[in-house]
Amino acid sequence: DAKTTQPPSMDCAEGRAANLPCNHSTISGNEYVYWYRQIHSQGPQYIIHGLKNNETNEMASLIITEDRKSSTLILPHATLRDTAVYYCIAPPGSGGSNYKLTFGKGTLLTVNP
Amino acid sequence: DAGVTQSPTHLIKTRGQQVTLRCSPISGHKSVSWYQQVLGQGPQFIFQYYEKEERGRGNFPDRFSARQFPNYSSELNVNALLLGDSALYLCASSSPGQGVREQYFGPGTRLTVT
Repeated sequence: DAKTTQPPSMDCAEGRAANLPCNHSTISGNEYVYWYRQIHSQGPQYIIHGLKNNETNEMASLIITEDRKSSTLILPHATLRDTAVYYCIAPPGSGGSNYKLTFGKGTLLTVNP
Repeated sequence: DAGVTQSPTHLIKTRGQQVTLRCSPISGHKSVSWYQQVLGQGPQFIFQYYEKEERGRGNFPDRFSARQFPNYSSELNVNALLLGDSALYLCASSSPGQGVREQYFGPGTRLTVT
């Protein structure tokens, strides 16, 4: 897996956009970037993934830099329920150990009222 | 549709005992993975099963074993429990069309070893 680096914690005001950065400078050409989050005492929840183009779904947007060495997960209007640990993961592409996710410590996002 | 279900929710065992944890994947999902999460850390991969065959194993001792049944449900067994096995055990399922990296996790089983 490509090594990913995330800040240990971030704060965000309710209703504002939360921008969570991730560095993955060793990522190779066929490795996707995945984002999961884990709300306290629950299992991780898949959010979004991307390869090189920006992606958006009902939960979030993913912005990947052109050189693919970093990405930003954007929660456009954070709510208190978005308080969670957010994990950025870059598992190996096809031919690698593509059956597992390697979680780091992630970023604890705290959304404040 | 029901999500991934796990049983039991909580479990307390003593050192040296054996434990079996159970997981039912989302209907239609044929891949099941197991993860261990100790307090303050991210989940660590233990096993992945696809179509009843082990496809991958993490860096865990042989005390850990698993199997997948014809209905794609799975069991994780841990023998000779140690205090360090106390953790949240997570099961995740995925569909071949989604890729095994797009996984859906259950709520976990909290195992406490005393």
